[in-house]
Amino acid sequence: GENVEQHPSTLSVQEGDSAVIKCTYSDSASNYFPWYKQELGKRPQLIIDIRSNVGEKKDQRIAVTLNKTAKHFSLHITETQPEDSAVYFCAASWGEGAGSYQLTFGKGTKLSVIP
Amino acid sequence: ETGVTQTPRHLVMGMTNKKSLKCEQHLGHNAMYWYKQSAKKPLELMFVYNFKEQTENNSVPSRFSPECPNSSHLFLHLHTLQPEDSALYLCASSHGQGSEKLFFGSGTQLSVL
Repeated sequence: GENVEQHPSTLSVQEGDSAVIKCTYSDSASNYFPWYKQELGKRPQLIIDIRSNVGEKKDQRIAVTLNKTAKHFSLHITETQPEDSAVYFCAASWGEGAGSYQLTFGKGTKLSVIP
Repeated sequence: ETGVTQTPRHLVMGMTNKKSLKCEQHLGHNAMYWYKQSAKKPLELMFVYNFKEQTENNSVPSRFSPECPNSSHLFLHLHTLQPEDSALYLCASSHGQGSEKLFFGSGTQLSVL
């Protein structure tokens, strides 16, 4: 089955700096890569996702890049703000119309943005 | 709010108790899921229901028993749990097969004594 490794497990950055979280996956058939943000005591929420036919996707201060050859994808947050502090989870799934039940999650990265 | 409601928010139970977790979604979705979230571990998929039919059971012990009476409600019945079952149990829903975006509930924080 799929295996997703996520690094680092914790990350501290100064407000205004950039943060990068990296994930690798094992199954070359994986074709959908979402990122979820979970604030303390709250539910995980999808913040951005990318499919294997795209190399990069941006949404304001958040971007995700995908390298299919190396089987890794990364989350980039620019101009970090205190409200970006949370745990971020990457995930990978495979299959044409496979649906969410094929998602394999990483262990999460706890991001702390220091004011 | 994302439209997925879980009750109770917190639950403490003994190993011989029987309890149930409830999840309700108001999004018109057809697929519902139970995930287990433990400290320093990835989110673990437990069960999936698509149009009320169970489609996935990821080798979950029989002390966890799901029930999906309709596409809006999902239960997780708990019986003779172990302390290592203490975790946050998250319910999620999605439009159905082919829709990858998950909408999570706030979870039930379970402590087994």
